[in-house]
Amino acid sequence: QVQLVQSGAEVKKPGASVKVSCKASGYTFTSYDINWVRQATGQGLEWVGWINPNRNKAGNAQKFQGRVTMTRNTSISTAYMELSSLSSDDTAVYYCARGRQHDGDYDYDYNGMDVWGQGTAVTVSS
Amino acid sequence: DMQLTQSPSFLSASVGDRVSISCRASHGISSYLAWYKQEPGKAPKLLIYAASTLQSGVPSRFSGSGSGTEFTLTISSLQPEDFATYYCQHLNSYPPGFGQGTRLEIK
Repeated sequence: QVQLVQSGAEVKKPGASVKVSCKASGYTFTSYDINWVRQATGQGLEWVGWINPNRNKAGNAQKFQGRVTMTRNTSISTAYMELSSLSSDDTAVYYCARGRQHDGDYDYDYNGMDVWGQGTAVTVSS
Repeated sequence: DMQLTQSPSFLSASVGDRVSISCRASHGISSYLAWYKQEPGKAPKLLIYAASTLQSGVPSRFSGSGSGTEFTLTISSLQPEDFATYYCQHLNSYPPGFGQGTRLEIK
């Protein structure tokens, strides 16, 4: 079945970096964007960024500019999100989610994020 | 950036009730809107995309309507498993932001 499986929980100190992985299975990894969304405890959903695994093109929300890096390894169908200069404000559950479908250079309509990983809890604490 | 405002933020209802949640966009987004359901401790689940298209496997008691700046998610007859938090998300531009959420609780 189609699924995204994320890496395990992380505890980091302020100023450190964290790298979360998202392994896709059950579909062609390079045919869909991977998005990253985070959620602090008791708060709403916040979009972090995305990567097109085929074109290796990525983008992110302005507030994370310079701190977040989205990468992928197509040989193992895995996407990664690395967030640096962590502070307590970055404590959250980070989700990966399958997004827009592509077929070569053709982009299908964006029909939402239809498959989600189980989430990775990142705790930033001294 | 596009802003999405959901209302109400909190809704109390009973099993069998019909409820509606509103999502207003700060500027027109055609029909590029999705709705998600999130239960505590779980990942969000896509319910509706393109404002009114039901995602495969989602019960038909869920429906979406609207275009431009005004959108509505309706649940025709609440079931116990529907008590959760609901989010709208716009899909017409980056960043694809979310509304602040509507928490639906049992009365």
